[in-house]
Amino acid sequence: DAKTTQPTSMDCAEGRAANLPCNHSTISGNEYVYWYRQIHSQGPQYIIHGLKNNETNEMASLIITEDRKSSTLILPHATLRDTAVYYCIVRVNTGGFKTIFGAGTRLFVKA
Amino acid sequence: NAGVTQTPKFQVLKTGQSMTLQCAQDMNHEYMSWYRQDPGMGLRLIHYSVGAGITDQGEVPNGYNVSRSTTEDFPLRLLSAAPSQTSVYFCASSYSVGEGYTFGSGTRLTVV
Repeated sequence: DAKTTQPTSMDCAEGRAANLPCNHSTISGNEYVYWYRQIHSQGPQYIIHGLKNNETNEMASLIITEDRKSSTLILPHATLRDTAVYYCIVRVNTGGFKTIFGAGTRLFVKA
Repeated sequence: NAGVTQTPKFQVLKTGQSMTLQCAQDMNHEYMSWYRQDPGMGLRLIHYSVGAGITDQGEVPNGYNVSRSTTEDFPLRLLSAAPSQTSVYFCASSYSVGEGYTFGSGTRLTVV
Protein backbone atom coordinates (compact mmCIF):
# COMPACT_ATOMS: atom_id res chain seq x y z
CA ASP A 1 0.00 0.00 0.00
CA ALA A 2 1.14 3.54 -0.79
CA LYS A 3 2.40 5.72 2.02
CA THR A 4 0.93 9.10 2.89
CA THR A 5 2.38 12.37 4.17
CA GLN A 6 0.32 14.75 6.28
CA PRO A 7 1.19 17.90 8.25
CA THR A 8 1.68 17.20 11.93
CA SER A 9 -0.81 19.83 13.08
CA MET A 10 -3.11 22.57 11.82
CA ASP A 11 -5.30 25.27 13.29
CA CYS A 12 -8.68 26.41 12.08
CA ALA A 13 -11.10 29.08 13.30
CA GLU A 14 -14.52 27.92 14.33
CA GLY A 15 -17.05 28.37 11.54
CA ARG A 16 -14.40 28.44 8.82
CA ALA A 17 -13.58 25.64 6.41
CA ALA A 18 -10.83 23.27 7.49
CA ASN A 19 -8.73 22.01 4.59
CA LEU A 20 -6.54 19.05 5.50
CA PRO A 21 -3.98 18.03 2.86
CA CYS A 22 -2.54 14.59 2.20
CA ASN A 23 0.26 13.64 -0.15
CA HIS A 24 0.25 10.16 -1.66
CA SER A 25 2.58 10.50 -4.61
CA THR A 26 3.20 6.74 -4.94
CA ILE A 27 -0.47 5.79 -5.08
CA SER A 28 -1.35 2.97 -7.45
CA GLY A 29 -4.25 2.97 -9.87
CA ASN A 30 -6.32 0.59 -7.77
CA GLU A 31 -5.75 2.28 -4.40
CA TYR A 32 -8.47 4.28 -2.72
CA VAL A 33 -8.02 7.28 -0.42
CA TYR A 34 -9.70 6.94 2.99
CA TRP A 35 -10.06 9.49 5.77
CA TYR A 36 -10.70 8.76 9.45
CA ARG A 37 -10.59 10.92 12.54
CA GLN A 38 -9.97 10.19 16.20
CA ILE A 39 -11.41 12.48 18.83
CA HIS A 40 -9.39 12.41 22.03
CA SER A 41 -9.03 8.76 23.12
CA GLN A 42 -12.09 7.40 21.36
CA GLY A 43 -12.00 4.81 18.60
CA PRO A 44 -11.36 6.26 15.14
CA GLN A 45 -14.36 7.30 13.06
CA TYR A 46 -14.65 6.74 9.32
CA ILE A 47 -15.28 9.98 7.40
CA ILE A 48 -15.13 9.44 3.65
CA HIS A 49 -13.27 7.68 0.85
CA GLY A 50 -12.77 7.96 -2.91
CA LEU A 51 -10.88 6.64 -5.91
CA LYS A 52 -10.52 9.53 -8.36
CA ASN A 53 -13.73 11.53 -8.32
CA ASN A 54 -14.47 14.14 -5.70
CA GLU A 55 -16.78 12.87 -3.00
CA THR A 56 -19.11 14.56 -0.52
CA ASN A 57 -21.16 13.31 2.38
CA GLU A 58 -22.81 14.81 5.43
CA MET A 59 -19.50 15.10 7.24
CA ALA A 60 -17.00 16.31 4.68
CA SER A 61 -15.83 16.63 1.09
CA LEU A 62 -12.87 14.84 -0.45
CA ILE A 63 -11.01 16.47 -3.31
CA ILE A 64 -8.54 14.25 -5.19
CA THR A 65 -6.18 15.83 -7.71
CA GLU A 66 -6.35 14.68 -11.30
CA ASP A 67 -3.02 12.86 -11.05
CA ARG A 68 -4.22 11.34 -7.73
CA LYS A 69 -0.94 12.18 -6.02
CA SER A 70 -2.62 14.29 -3.36
CA SER A 71 -5.98 14.93 -1.80
CA THR A 72 -7.70 17.39 0.54
CA LEU A 73 -10.32 16.70 3.15
CA ILE A 74 -12.63 19.68 3.63
CA LEU A 75 -14.76 20.24 6.71
CA PRO A 76 -16.96 23.07 5.43
CA HIS A 77 -17.85 24.73 8.74
CA ALA A 78 -15.53 23.51 11.46
CA THR A 79 -16.80 23.38 15.03
CA LEU A 80 -14.95 22.87 18.30
CA ARG A 81 -16.11 19.23 18.22
CA ASP A 82 -14.07 18.70 15.04
CA THR A 83 -10.84 19.03 17.03
CA ALA A 84 -9.26 15.62 16.46
CA VAL A 85 -6.47 13.71 14.74
CA TYR A 86 -7.26 13.14 11.07
CA TYR A 87 -5.78 10.15 9.28
CA CYS A 88 -5.35 9.84 5.52
CA ILE A 89 -4.92 6.26 4.31
CA VAL A 90 -4.51 4.73 0.88
CA ARG A 91 -5.25 1.09 0.25
CA VAL A 92 -6.60 -1.35 -2.29
CA ASN A 93 -10.19 -2.53 -1.97
CA THR A 94 -9.39 -6.15 -2.74
CA GLY A 95 -7.26 -8.96 -1.45
CA GLY A 96 -5.77 -8.69 2.00
CA PHE A 97 -7.61 -5.54 3.00
CA LYS A 98 -4.87 -4.32 5.31
CA THR A 99 -5.51 -0.79 6.56
CA ILE A 100 -2.37 0.90 7.85
CA PHE A 101 -2.65 4.17 9.80
CA GLY A 102 0.05 6.82 9.77
CA ALA A 103 0.62 9.59 12.31
CA GLY A 104 -2.19 11.83 11.02
CA THR A 105 -2.80 15.57 11.36
CA ARG A 106 -3.86 17.05 14.68
CA LEU A 107 -6.51 19.66 13.89
CA PHE A 108 -7.21 22.32 16.50
CA VAL A 109 -10.43 24.25 15.98
CA LYS A 110 -10.31 27.50 17.93
CA ALA A 111 -13.17 29.74 19.04
CA ASN B 1 -27.33 -2.74 16.60
CA ALA B 2 -24.75 -2.57 19.36
CA GLY B 3 -21.99 -2.04 16.79
CA VAL B 4 -18.51 -3.22 17.82
CA THR B 5 -18.32 -4.24 21.47
CA GLN B 6 -15.00 -4.65 23.24
CA THR B 7 -14.53 -6.16 26.66
CA PRO B 8 -13.09 -5.45 29.12
CA LYS B 9 -12.72 -1.67 28.94
CA PHE B 10 -9.83 -1.64 31.38
CA GLN B 11 -7.41 -4.36 32.46
CA VAL B 12 -4.25 -4.57 34.54
CA LEU B 13 -2.05 -7.63 34.06
CA LYS B 14 1.14 -8.81 35.66
CA THR B 15 4.09 -9.63 33.45
CA GLY B 16 3.82 -13.18 32.16
CA GLN B 17 0.06 -13.49 32.55
CA SER B 18 -2.12 -14.35 29.58
CA MET B 19 -5.52 -13.00 28.71
CA THR B 20 -8.02 -12.63 25.91
CA LEU B 21 -9.46 -9.34 24.73
CA GLN B 22 -12.94 -9.84 23.39
CA CYS B 23 -14.41 -8.21 20.29
CA ALA B 24 -17.90 -8.83 18.99
CA GLN B 25 -19.96 -7.18 16.27
CA ASP B 26 -23.61 -7.68 15.40
CA MET B 27 -23.56 -6.09 11.94
CA ASN B 28 -22.72 -9.25 9.97
CA HIS B 29 -19.37 -7.73 9.00
CA GLU B 30 -16.92 -10.03 7.27
CA TYR B 31 -13.80 -7.95 7.84
CA MET B 32 -12.34 -7.42 11.30
CA SER B 33 -9.04 -6.08 12.60
CA TRP B 34 -7.15 -5.46 15.82
CA TYR B 35 -5.03 -2.36 16.35
CA ARG B 36 -2.95 -1.09 19.23
CA GLN B 37 -2.30 2.55 20.02
CA ASP B 38 0.51 3.55 22.32
CA PRO B 39 0.32 6.93 24.11
CA GLY B 40 0.66 9.82 21.67
CA MET B 41 1.11 7.49 18.72
CA GLY B 42 -0.91 6.35 15.73
CA LEU B 43 -2.61 2.98 15.36
CA ARG B 44 -0.66 -0.12 14.43
CA LEU B 45 -2.29 -3.17 12.88
CA ILE B 46 -1.82 -6.39 14.87
CA HIS B 47 -3.94 -8.99 13.05
CA TYR B 48 -6.86 -8.92 10.68
CA SER B 49 -9.47 -11.30 9.27
CA VAL B 50 -11.38 -11.31 6.00
CA GLY B 51 -13.94 -13.87 7.17
CA ALA B 52 -14.60 -16.78 9.50
CA GLY B 53 -11.63 -19.12 9.55
CA ILE B 54 -9.29 -16.67 7.79
CA THR B 55 -6.77 -14.52 9.62
CA ASP B 56 -3.51 -12.82 8.73
CA GLN B 57 -0.74 -10.84 10.39
CA GLY B 58 -0.47 -7.09 10.43
CA GLU B 59 2.45 -4.82 11.29
CA VAL B 60 3.06 -5.93 14.89
CA PRO B 61 1.77 -9.51 15.38
CA ASN B 62 4.42 -10.85 17.76
CA GLY B 63 3.07 -11.82 21.17
CA TYR B 64 -0.54 -11.99 19.98
CA ASN B 65 -2.76 -14.74 18.62
CA VAL B 66 -6.15 -14.50 16.96
CA SER B 67 -8.81 -16.85 15.68
CA ARG B 68 -12.09 -16.29 13.86
CA SER B 69 -14.42 -19.21 14.44
CA THR B 70 -17.57 -17.14 13.85
CA THR B 71 -18.39 -14.03 11.85
CA GLU B 72 -19.36 -12.16 15.01
CA ASP B 73 -16.32 -12.69 17.23
CA PHE B 74 -12.63 -11.91 16.81
CA PRO B 75 -10.78 -12.41 20.12
CA LEU B 76 -7.18 -11.29 20.63
CA ARG B 77 -5.02 -13.41 22.92
CA LEU B 78 -1.94 -12.16 24.72
CA LEU B 79 0.22 -15.21 25.29
CA SER B 80 2.60 -13.90 27.96
CA ALA B 81 2.04 -10.24 28.77
CA ALA B 82 4.99 -7.85 28.74
CA PRO B 83 5.17 -4.18 29.82
CA SER B 84 5.74 -3.28 26.14
CA GLN B 85 2.19 -4.43 25.47
CA THR B 86 0.77 -1.66 27.63
CA SER B 87 -1.47 0.11 25.17
CA VAL B 88 -5.03 0.84 24.07
CA TYR B 89 -6.40 -1.91 21.87
CA PHE B 90 -9.05 -1.19 19.25
CA CYS B 91 -11.12 -3.68 17.34
CA ALA B 92 -12.70 -2.67 14.03
CA SER B 93 -15.03 -4.24 11.49
CA SER B 94 -16.48 -3.56 8.08
CA TYR B 95 -19.07 -5.22 5.86
CA SER B 96 -17.00 -5.17 2.71
CA VAL B 97 -13.65 -4.10 1.36
CA GLY B 98 -15.19 -0.92 0.00
CA GLU B 99 -16.56 0.39 3.28
CA GLY B 100 -14.85 2.22 6.09
CA TYR B 101 -14.24 0.55 9.42
CA THR B 102 -16.47 0.82 12.48
CA PHE B 103 -14.30 0.90 15.60
CA GLY B 104 -15.00 -0.23 19.12
CA SER B 105 -14.38 2.02 22.11
CA GLY B 106 -11.14 0.27 23.03
CA THR B 107 -9.59 -1.76 25.84
CA ARG B 108 -7.01 0.02 27.96
CA LEU B 109 -4.41 -2.52 29.03
CA THR B 110 -1.63 -1.95 31.53
CA VAL B 111 1.04 -4.59 32.09
CA VAL B 112 3.03 -4.18 35.30
